[in-house]
Amino acid sequence: DSGVTQTPKHLITATGQRVTLRCSPRSGDLSVYWYQQSLDQGLQFLIQYYNGEERAKGNILERFSAQQFPDLHSELNLSSLELGDSALYFCASTSGSTGNTIYFGEGSWLTVV
Amino acid sequence: GESVGLHLPTLSVQEGDNSIINCAYSNSASDYFIWYKQESGKGPQFIIDIRSNMDKRQGQRVTVLLNKTVKHLSLQIAATQPGDSAVYFCAENTAYNTDKLIFGTGTRLQVFP
Repeated sequence: DSGVTQTPKHLITATGQRVTLRCSPRSGDLSVYWYQQSLDQGLQFLIQYYNGEERAKGNILERFSAQQFPDLHSELNLSSLELGDSALYFCASTSGSTGNTIYFGEGSWLTVV
Repeated sequence: GESVGLHLPTLSVQEGDNSIINCAYSNSASDYFIWYKQESGKGPQFIIDIRSNMDKRQGQRVTVLLNKTVKHLSLQIAATQPGDSAVYFCAENTAYNTDKLIFGTGTRLQVFP
């Protein structure tokens, strides 16, 4: 158990809908990352937050947004969902200092039908 | 469920043999590297890391080698066991502007008796 908690574990929704994925980082970790993993794309970095502020942005679509709350949990919002958004979405956390181990949650399986 | 790409390179080894998984990283400015193991349907699990001021680091049954000249990373697993079967990812961390973690495409390790 990495200490990073993600909910829901599985989610099935229809195209055009909006979903919110939630992540609770490890206790004491200030930095949260979101990654997308699909069959043909591997692990793709989406976005990173540090202590509530956006710190880095990767290949995140405009239909997707995220935030980190004062209690350091994070949410990834996916809207106007398309079939191609079906993937595993991982959250990871670290204390925030460069070179510290980054721990991953078990992921949220999103299936868009 | 399957959570990784269908076209991953695959390394097949016999139980008890040593495994060597290779990775070419992209950014010469990267200064921290991590190997992750991902079992089907689970999140990436930290195995071992190495900083750019080192060229070798050993863990329990695993060794990571770093060759900065050719931007190459390898993971050696001694006495490979069936439980080692998974997809292995190398990841690089560039602290120049951000500390986001960039993953390689992954290698599937299959261990047969």
